[in-house]
Amino acid sequence: EIVLTQSPGTLSLSPGERATLSCRASQSVSSSYLAWYQQKPGQAPRLLIYGASSRATGIPDRFSGSGSGTDFTLTISRLEPEDFAVYYCQQYGSSPRWTFGQGTKVEIK
Amino acid sequence: QVQLVQSGAEVKKPGASVKVSCKASGYTFTSYDINWVRQATGQGLEWMGWMNPNSGNTGYAQKFQGRVTMTRNTSISTAYMELSSLRSEDTAVYYCAREFGIVATIYYYYYMDVWGKGTTVTVSS
Repeated sequence: EIVLTQSPGTLSLSPGERATLSCRASQSVSSSYLAWYQQKPGQAPRLLIYGASSRATGIPDRFSGSGSGTDFTLTISRLEPEDFAVYYCQQYGSSPRWTFGQGTKVEIK
Repeated sequence: QVQLVQSGAEVKKPGASVKVSCKASGYTFTSYDINWVRQATGQGLEWMGWMNPNSGNTGYAQKFQGRVTMTRNTSISTAYMELSSLRSEDTAVYYCAREFGIVATIYYYYYMDVWGKGTTVTVSS
């Protein structure tokens, strides 16, 4: 079973700053199977990135994803007030079919 | 628009069962698998299992094997997740999510593109 480890657990930044979130897999993951989600309090997760680097419909271009193999990154180029949330990486596999990282909270400094 | 509408909050006693519904609209229900994901308060996302609404085939996370059953009623475009032998640790928000798969060039892409708003299940004596 592939384990996804996200770091840091919490990122304290100010609006306008750049956020870099990491997702490391315990085994190599196909890039096309790696996605990122944003979750705000009291809301369902929202798809941000799929295929490691493709933005979902309606997602601003300040969000970008990169990486391959075991190391993946979500970058928010300039934090807007609405970007403070929890972010999860996710991978599609065989058994189990889906795995999530434990999440990174981006909070206002 | 494409949406998944879930049933309302539930309060159950330990040992009981709960059945949560997820009604799809805006797309062909039988064309996309439905997944169930839960989240305890202050915790991360935990995948529970998937169901193919066309065939009824299912796959469950090992943790929930024997306790979870995912079914559907295609006539009303609704998926169900039933969890039995409830314990306090099952207190969580339960989400259904549509699984989207697409082939582009030589690659397959999979992700969960539409989510329900969640159903709070509280297990308490």
